[in-house]
Amino acid sequence: AQTVTQSQPEMSVQEAETVTLSCTYDTSESDYYLFWYKQPPSRQMILVIRQEAYKQQNATENRFSVNFQKAAKSFSLKISDSQLGDAAMYFCAYRSADFGNEKLTFGTGTRLTIIP
Amino acid sequence: GAVVSQHPSRVICKSGTSVKIECRSLDFQATTMFWYRQFPKKSLMLMATSNEGSKATYEQGVEKDKFLINHASLTLSTLTVTSAHPEDSSFYICSARDSGVGYQETQYFGPGTRLLVL
Repeated sequence: AQTVTQSQPEMSVQEAETVTLSCTYDTSESDYYLFWYKQPPSRQMILVIRQEAYKQQNATENRFSVNFQKAAKSFSLKISDSQLGDAAMYFCAYRSADFGNEKLTFGTGTRLTIIP
Repeated sequence: GAVVSQHPSRVICKSGTSVKIECRSLDFQATTMFWYRQFPKKSLMLMATSNEGSKATYEQGVEKDKFLINHASLTLSTLTVTSAHPEDSSFYICSARDSGVGYQETQYFGPGTRLLVL
């Protein structure tokens, strides 16, 4: 079974600074997808960024980028120019690429605080 | 695009009653939807996978007869908590996978339903 580990229960960053959230995972599969979801106080889960394991290029979405290290099974999220609206719980998630095995395995989350 | 709604957003019921929660994909078709449960300050726990036109697949430890799932159309799945008890109080979240073209591997989440059983 796959596992996802987020070793930082809480992180804080000064507004406009950069912060990196870590995520590691364990799998025996070679093809899979990785995601970062954000859950603000409203508790609505919002997709931040996705990465296909077969792609070597790191995904980027505006101020959000990932550092995907397949061999190390690491998938960190970098948030640049942090904004107050970035304050939330961030969950890393894994999904197999196997058709029919669509479940997401989530990490325990990292609570990000933005300091004005 | 890729909007998922849930209704109700919060519900309070008496112990022993049943509660139905609806999950709708508003702008896409979803042959597959998922139901999660989230305890305070915890991660999401998958309860079941809902497939349109067929029986849901439940995760180990989830009672099928207590958490009834129906996925009767490509845009609607329902979760019914039968004979609810205080320990069923939780935050329930659904997600849906877009069956069309594009990022079919991605799940889009509803805003969640807070259930309180008295």
